[in-house]
Amino acid sequence: AQRVTQPEKLLSVFKGAPVELKCNYSYSGSPELFWYVQYSRQRLQLLLRHISRESIKGFTADLNKGETSFHLKKPFAQEEDSAMYYCALRGGADGLTFGKGTHLIIQP
Amino acid sequence: DVKVTQSSRYLVKRTGEKVFLECVQDMDHENMFWYRQDPGLGLRLIYFSYDVKMKEKGDIPEGYSVSREKKERFSLILESASTNQTSMYLCASSFRNYEQYFGPGTRLTVT
Repeated sequence: AQRVTQPEKLLSVFKGAPVELKCNYSYSGSPELFWYVQYSRQRLQLLLRHISRESIKGFTADLNKGETSFHLKKPFAQEEDSAMYYCALRGGADGLTFGKGTHLIIQP
Repeated sequence: DVKVTQSSRYLVKRTGEKVFLECVQDMDHENMFWYRQDPGLGLRLIYFSYDVKMKEKGDIPEGYSVSREKKERFSLILESASTNQTSMYLCASSFRNYEQYFGPGTRLTVT
């Protein structure tokens, strides 16, 4: 069975500080990993996916197969980064398996 | 611009009622999904569909059914609503295995 673990329910950092949202997964094959974000009163939207290897809004995430992790990082947090972040995995042709989410709060 | 719409933003129903949640997408996507979102539990997949009249169970299908008679529309049905089905319901669609686009959600309260 596939599983996604986000160990932090809530993460609070100061503006300008580095941010790291942790995500670990369990899957026997070769997964596809995503980060989705939900800003207040907005719909859930894709932030980035590991196969594209791009930086979106200053965020990056590297798939580490050895550690089965896909942590989301940003060197300098901004207030507009405050949101709910979900790590998700697609192991095959099925829908996504989501983690429980991390609520990121950026304090001024 | 992909648009996924859901019939209601807020819905209040009584225990035992039959509930229909409708989802429509305008991008000719083959795949459509229903999730429920609960605090502390994240999103959990209820059902998904790869094509018209096709459906597959997700992780938590019990108490739900779905219908996909047209490609653009995917309905979630609660045959007999119960209080533990009070939740936020999210619909999503995708072209093959590409990005999933989500609707705004329907917050269902069952009293």
